[in-house]
Amino acid sequence: DVKVTQSSRYLVKRTGEKVFLECVQDMDHENMFWYRQDPGLGLRLIYFSYDVKMKEKGDIPEGYSVSREKKERFSLILESASTNQTSMYLCASSWVTGQGFDEQFFGPGTRLTVL
Amino acid sequence: KQEVTQIPAALSVPEGENLVLNCSFTDSAIYNLQWFRQDPGKGLTSLLLIQSSQREQTSGRLNASLDKSSGRSTLYIAASQPGDSATYLCAALTYNNNDMRFGAGTRLTVKP
Repeated sequence: DVKVTQSSRYLVKRTGEKVFLECVQDMDHENMFWYRQDPGLGLRLIYFSYDVKMKEKGDIPEGYSVSREKKERFSLILESASTNQTSMYLCASSWVTGQGFDEQFFGPGTRLTVL
Repeated sequence: KQEVTQIPAALSVPEGENLVLNCSFTDSAIYNLQWFRQDPGKGLTSLLLIQSSQREQTSGRLNASLDKSSGRSTLYIAASQPGDSATYLCAALTYNNNDMRFGAGTRLTVKP
């Protein structure tokens, strides 16, 4: 079975702190994604990566950066956390196919609260 | 830009009933469509993936169909059970731009 794990289920941080969210997948997937999910707004893509050290901006990259130094690990970084970044953060991974993404597998999510 | 809509937003049915969840998309040039289940406070669990060349996929009591020409997909759940209570989301991947769009989900409650 594909397994995507996220470093924390719940996280509470202070405004201005630097926050790291870690995601690890064990299926050798090329693609990895970071989404945030908010009531009424659904899932929105922050960043995705299609290979080590490669990244593409999603719909809402402002205030976030990412790092992919190893194929299995994709990190989301909040450089200076703000209260409007309080959200559920979901990581996903997939293989790449000739036309795009294959089936996406999600981690359990990290509920981040910024005070 | 692809838009994905799921109606209704919420659905409540008695146990044992067969039901259909709807997913509509505006751009028919999709590569695949994926159905997910999400329990409260949890991540998404992949249920079924339909490639653009397929008409339907089945897994146990679940059957998903795809009609690209009408921009619709349905998820059929047979003999519903209380354990099926969750939010169901669909997501469409559009050709050429790797743009995956999610619907807002249908919150299903199956009453014993």
